[in-house]
Amino acid sequence: NAGVTQTPKFRVLKTGQSMTLLCAQDMNHEYMYWYRQDPGMGLRLIHYSVGEGTTAKGEVPDGYNVSRLKKQNFLLGLESAAPSQTSVYFCASSYPRTPGTDEQFFGPGTRLTVL
Amino acid sequence: GENVEQHPSTLSVQEGDSAVIKCTYSDSASNYFPWYKQELGKRPQLIIDIRSNVGEKKDQRIAVTLNKTAKHFSLHITETQPEDSAVYFCAAYMFSGGYNKLIFGAGTRLAVHP
Repeated sequence: NAGVTQTPKFRVLKTGQSMTLLCAQDMNHEYMYWYRQDPGMGLRLIHYSVGEGTTAKGEVPDGYNVSRLKKQNFLLGLESAAPSQTSVYFCASSYPRTPGTDEQFFGPGTRLTVL
Repeated sequence: GENVEQHPSTLSVQEGDSAVIKCTYSDSASNYFPWYKQELGKRPQLIIDIRSNVGEKKDQRIAVTLNKTAKHFSLHITETQPEDSAVYFCAAYMFSGGYNKLIFGAGTRLAVHP
């Protein structure tokens, strides 16, 4: 199993450009998440999905959109990139077996720079 | 709002010493508290977790303690080794917006010196 994969690994954008980050998992997990990681701020939840066709906002959703058309894929879109979106983006997935528990499996990350 | 505070932000120890990282959380209903380790340039990985029905859990050199009354939990690493050097994140599972979500602390950068 590949686990959680992300594409691309690196990307440089100019302000105002758009792009889509792809996350894929082959563990049949129901839940998927997008986080951003900035120095000294830990992992902040952008958007998440509790199943195919459903998405919800996390802590820092502004400037991002997501889609979960297939259970195994979770896409993160930036419509008009801004320098403040320079960050490392992690995707994660989980399959809660017991209410209130949630081991999350992370992808390798995407380093995005917006100039 | 919901949050998790983590201290210290950086920790430097000598090989063989113990290291302790502490976290506090805001939601008294939280019932799951994982710890993740992130090595430089790598993804976060779960190293240990604890649920609210126990006060302590151990796994070899790593232990986690939970005080639900005070709403804080701690990670203890004994006999530290250079390969323990990494950033450690605590997290708490909170119910918000209709779903349970993990809220992470800001992280602790642990350096173990030979």
